[in-house]
Amino acid sequence: KQEVTQIPAALSVPEGENLVLNCSFTDSAIYNLQWFRQDPGKGLTSLLLIQSSQREQTSGRLNASLDKSSGRSTLYIAASQPGDSATYLCAVPLGGGADGLTFGKGTHLIIQP
Amino acid sequence: ETGVTQTPRHLVMGMTNKKSLKCEQHLGHNAMYWYKQSAKKPLELMFVYNFKEQTENNSVPSRFSPECPNSSHLFLHLHTLQPEDSALYLCASSQVDGGGNQPQHFGDGTRLSIL
Repeated sequence: KQEVTQIPAALSVPEGENLVLNCSFTDSAIYNLQWFRQDPGKGLTSLLLIQSSQREQTSGRLNASLDKSSGRSTLYIAASQPGDSATYLCAVPLGGGADGLTFGKGTHLIIQP
Repeated sequence: ETGVTQTPRHLVMGMTNKKSLKCEQHLGHNAMYWYKQSAKKPLELMFVYNFKEQTENNSVPSRFSPECPNSSHLFLHLHTLQPEDSALYLCASSQVDGGGNQPQHFGDGTRLSIL
């Protein structure tokens, strides 16, 4: 059974810092890995999806990497801003095709102005 | 409207009531999902529909009954729920192609409270 772990559970940093969020998964036979953010009382916003054949994916100040063999992914946020404050979740599909996602518990991020 | 829309946003019901949650996606996707998000726990997959056919039931109690009349609409019918069913219920959709590697898009959820 796939298990997803995210470290740290919570993080508070001053504005402007670069930071790294970590995600690990137990079964390396994944099709892709997806990073989301969730604001309080809201649903999930998709940030990045990395295919199993890719090593990294970038969108603006966000960069996600994937190392399938070691079962790890990182989300790098450059020049953090207060608007980045949210819970960040990583998830992997249960299989291929129309499969649900297995989620980690998330990292609760606070960027101090 | 765009994206994935869920109604109602909030629902309070007694354990003997019957209610339904609605999800509509405006993205032209062919797969839809129900997830449950409880406090202090990771999101849990409940059901998957692919081309209106249920392909996954993640050991969900029968008091939750999904319905997918077409690829744009998904319902979750609720009856005789328990207090531990209080949670945020999230709907998602995605486009499933041969590679199956498309992102899932989520609605804002329905916050359900069972009295």
